[in-house]
Amino acid sequence: DVKVTQSSRYLVKRTGEKVFLECVQDMDHENMFWYRQDPGLGLRLIYFSYDVKMKEKGDIPEGYSVSREKKERFSLILESASTNQTSMYLCASTPPTSGLSSSYNEQFFGPGTRLTVL
Amino acid sequence: AQTVTQSQPEMSVQEAETVTLSCTYDTSENNYYLFWYKQPPSRQMILVIRQEAYKQQNATENRFSVNFQKAAKSFSLKISDSQLGDTAMYFCALTGTASKLTFGTGTRLQVTL
Repeated sequence: DVKVTQSSRYLVKRTGEKVFLECVQDMDHENMFWYRQDPGLGLRLIYFSYDVKMKEKGDIPEGYSVSREKKERFSLILESASTNQTSMYLCASTPPTSGLSSSYNEQFFGPGTRLTVL
Repeated sequence: AQTVTQSQPEMSVQEAETVTLSCTYDTSENNYYLFWYKQPPSRQMILVIRQEAYKQQNATENRFSVNFQKAAKSFSLKISDSQLGDTAMYFCALTGTASKLTFGTGTRLQVTL
């Protein structure tokens, strides 16, 4: 079974702190994604990565950065956490393309990290 | 830009009954894919069903089926013989040539006895 893990289920940080959220997948997936989930807004894409050391901005990248030094690990960084970044953060990955466009591939999600910034 | 709209924030259905969740979307791409994802309470998001836009036949997966109306840009999910384990948040999602998913705001489904 594909497994996507996230470093913490719950995290509480203070305003101004640097925050690292880690995501690891164990199935050699090329594509990895970071979303935030807020009530009434659904999931919104923050950043994604198609390969090691590659990153692309999603729809709401402001206030965030990412790092992908190894294929299996994709980190989300909040350089200076703010209260409006209190949210549920979900990581996802997709397998390599196999025939059909990679856009058809199922995204496998981690359990999420509920971040509270005080 | 792609958009996905789910106009039903909450729905309720009795066990063994059928329920339909609505989704409309907009995209400028000719080739795209549509998905329904399920997020059970305190559990991971999982794929329920997916549809390729160029296929006219509606996708089915056991008790789950879709009604894909391409001209109307509508992609509804029908759950037959609802079970308590179907209680979850359901998200409709759309992707185009890139692998980026655009999600709707979700429909919270409660299955009752």
